Amino acid sequence: AQSVTQLDSHVSVSEGTPVLLRCNYSSSYSPSLFWYVQHPNKGLQLLLKYTSAATLVKGINGFEAEFKKSETSFHLTKPSAHMSDAAEYFCVVSDNDYKLSFGAGTTVTVRA
Amino acid sequence: GAGVSQTPSNKVTEKGKYVELRCDPISGHTALYWYRQSLGQGPEFLIYFQGTGAADDSGLPNDRFFAVRPEGSVSTLKIQRTERGDSAMYLCASSYRIRVMNTEAFFGQGTRLTVV
Repeated sequence: AQSVTQLDSHVSVSEGTPVLLRCNYSSSYSPSLFWYVQHPNKGLQLLLKYTSAATLVKGINGFEAEFKKSETSFHLTKPSAHMSDAAEYFCVVSDNDYKLSFGAGTTVTVRA
Repeated sequence: GAGVSQTPSNKVTEKGKYVELRCDPISGHTALYWYRQSLGQGPEFLIYFQGTGAADDSGLPNDRFFAVRPEGSVSTLKIQRTERGDSAMYLCASSYRIRVMNTEAFFGQGTRLTVV
């Protein structure tokens, strides 16, 4: 069975400061892991994905995530938050190539 | 259009009525997925099509829910005897299949269903 736990339901940061969104996963196999972002009134957009290649994955808009098998974690980071980063972020795990299991989401607010 | 298109964007229906939600995938995408997102939660898998056939419908909550994709392109999610608990955002996604793998799934903006 596959599942993810997003450890923070809300994260608030100041513009220009680092962002850290925490995610732990559970999977029976060697999983694929993803981070998706959902802006209001827009569709889900893929930020980055891990599929057993390099453990440090770089995505769009300056985001990156590190796969740590020993900790079963896949935390998302960005060195400097921008106002446009305010959105809902989902950590996702998949044991195959079609069924995605989403976490409950983390809402990010960015203070000016 | 360039992306996954879902219609209607909003649907309000009375309890007990029948509804159909439509998804137009990206042209050429053979894989199509339906997910349901309740308020404050992440999307939950409903069904996966490869071509015309439902390869995995294990996420459909009960027999009131049914989905079709008769020509391998447009898909319709059908809900009979709607209940207030069916109120949610219904998301559709599509992707390519290359050899034995599906590529990145692209999501539509969803249909918000409200059952009153």
